[in-house]
Amino acid sequence: EAGVVQSPRYKIIEKKQPVAFWCNPISGHNTLYWYRQNLGQGPELLIRYENEEAVDDSQLPKDRFSAERLKGVDSTLKIQPAELGDSAVYLCASRAVGGGSSYNEQFFGPGTRLTVL
Amino acid sequence: LAKTTQPISMDSYEGQEVNITCSHNNIATNDYITWYQQFPSQGPRFIIQGYKTKVTNEVASLFIPADRKSSTLSLPRVSLSDTAVYYCLVGDEGGGFKTIFGAGTRLFVKA
Repeated sequence: EAGVVQSPRYKIIEKKQPVAFWCNPISGHNTLYWYRQNLGQGPELLIRYENEEAVDDSQLPKDRFSAERLKGVDSTLKIQPAELGDSAVYLCASRAVGGGSSYNEQFFGPGTRLTVL
Repeated sequence: LAKTTQPISMDSYEGQEVNITCSHNNIATNDYITWYQQFPSQGPRFIIQGYKTKVTNEVASLFIPADRKSSTLSLPRVSLSDTAVYYCLVGDEGGGFKTIFGAGTRLFVKA
């Protein structure tokens, strides 16, 4: 079974530039998460989707961040414009509801390491 | 939301059993306890989950006392490859589970 796919793996941009991250969850997983992880800290939830609906985006900085999950499958997270403090690893995770999965087992992708100069 | 507290770091030697305790004094009735492992440059990986008493799988054991205000992840006979960060989470899916990772426990296994 293929895991969660993210691209790109690394991205270096100048501040004020836009950037987008893409995530393809495990097939059949209807819950999708985006996290941001700063160096030495645990992942911080940005947004959670149930199918195509964003059910928790309370931690998403909406002035510059946006996300979409069209058709309830893959998802894109965008930052526009990027700031120096946005340098971090952006992780995508997915989870199945029922179907034998542990109650809260999330499957994480490898992440995208963003560096803003 | 139940907050968790874990030791910042732990050291061990190969072959030893390692126990990492997590405090979650405000755990709610419907909350489950979940542990994740994270290696450098990788996303976290699910290890084990439990609600009460003891849960064991091929990787670890999870001990949860009756009051559920803490839990202990037990890793038997660790190897160098178990060097990683371990996160404890509590939450309830039905209540709109909000996944909150703390800083985790950095386990360093020495030869």
